[in-house]
Amino acid sequence: SAVISQKPSRDICQRGTSLTIQCQVDSQVTMMFWYRQQPGQSLTLIATANQGSEATYESGFVIDKFPISRPNLTFSTLTVSNMSPEDSSIYLCSVEVIGDRVSGTQYFGPGTRLLVL
Amino acid sequence: TQLLEQSPQFLSIQEGENLTVYCNSSSVFSSLQWYRQEPGEGPVLLVTVVTGGEVKKLKRLTFQFGDARKDSSLHITAAQPGDTGLYLCAGDRYQKVTFGTGTKLQVIP
Repeated sequence: SAVISQKPSRDICQRGTSLTIQCQVDSQVTMMFWYRQQPGQSLTLIATANQGSEATYESGFVIDKFPISRPNLTFSTLTVSNMSPEDSSIYLCSVEVIGDRVSGTQYFGPGTRLLVL
Repeated sequence: TQLLEQSPQFLSIQEGENLTVYCNSSSVFSSLQWYRQEPGEGPVLLVTVVTGGEVKKLKRLTFQFGDARKDSSLHITAAQPGDTGLYLCAGDRYQKVTFGTGTKLQVIP
């Protein structure tokens, strides 16, 4: 397993500003992901954070709006740029652990609750 | 688009009752996970199933993977208030994970 922390845990931001969310893992991992979730609903994958290269974005998400960094195997950031109220959501970081025998098993951070006014 | 439909969407039951949550798809998955998420927290992995027909038990929770690896069920015996939360299934297909639509469970003391 892995222990994942996210910062900040919550924030209230003004429209037009940007927020960078940090994700730190206590061990080296192969895959890191960023998800968005409306409270009580399912998860939508934003992108896969690739170490040393550009992130892989899902349909409907673009790098200009959600730039992602992954400088090493234990850390990643997601920036929500030029925010609007529609960006209000929970943002979750997750990882797949090196050596996990079964593909697909993920471990999640506690999430960042964002409210855009 | 791979779609994982969960049913029911919402469930409110009394403490001590039994319940079953279903996760269905038309796609075949190489593995399937169940997660539970409590308010203010990230999803927590409960179980991973990989073999068609596989049954796994975790205390009062029983998980089954369909024979064709297209569906799964989660059965809770004698539900307790601590079981309250959002239950999510997730299927892995060609190393791409899709999350189910979610089942919100409330267990009333």
